[in-house]
Amino acid sequence: SAVISQKPSRDICQRGTSLTIQCQVDSQVTMMFWYRQQPGQSLTLIATANQGSEATYESGFVIDKFPISRPNLTFSTLTVSNMSPEDSSIYLCSVERGLAETQYFGPGTRLLVL
Amino acid sequence: DQQVKQNSPSLSVQEGRISILNCDYTNSMFDYFLWYKKYPAEGPTFLISISSIKDKNEDGRFTVFLNKSAKHLSLHIVPSQPGDSAVYFCAASAASNFGNEKLTFGTGTRLTIIP
Repeated sequence: SAVISQKPSRDICQRGTSLTIQCQVDSQVTMMFWYRQQPGQSLTLIATANQGSEATYESGFVIDKFPISRPNLTFSTLTVSNMSPEDSSIYLCSVERGLAETQYFGPGTRLLVL
Repeated sequence: DQQVKQNSPSLSVQEGRISILNCDYTNSMFDYFLWYKKYPAEGPTFLISISSIKDKNEDGRFTVFLNKSAKHLSLHIVPSQPGDSAVYFCAASAASNFGNEKLTFGTGTRLTIIP
């Protein structure tokens, strides 16, 4: 498995502000993923982050709203920009490990936007 | 379009009995399937996976069955224990040249084990 930490674990933010979420992994990984779980819904992939290249965003997600950084092979950040109450979600990062490239998840960041 | 479906939002099972969680998918390109368990305020924890070349994979109390013709998989937990109470997510991916990447998740089934 993998040891993955996220900061902050939770936050309450005001509408119109931005929050940057950090994801730290215990060893180097090629790909890191950012997911969102809105209340009562499933996990949805936001983007895939490779070190040294632009993140690849899924349909419905754009870089201006969710800029991602991947400065090295153990760290990534996701920024939720110009937040609205609809951005209230759990945001999770994950990494692939093992021969089967199974994804392992961080503990998540619980965000509430007022 | 929900490509991975878990039609039972909740399930209650007596301790010691078998828990069966079901998952259906529509995308025939999916060839790798995973089950995750999620406790409140924690990230999903990987439980067990199965490749489309198999129809069964077993790990301790957990067994996953895959029926490709029916596009259906199930997770069996036996015997069920109180610590198994959690939300279970089914996930699927279609391998590419770069490996198994994007996971598509079901909506989850909340399992409650009754002591």
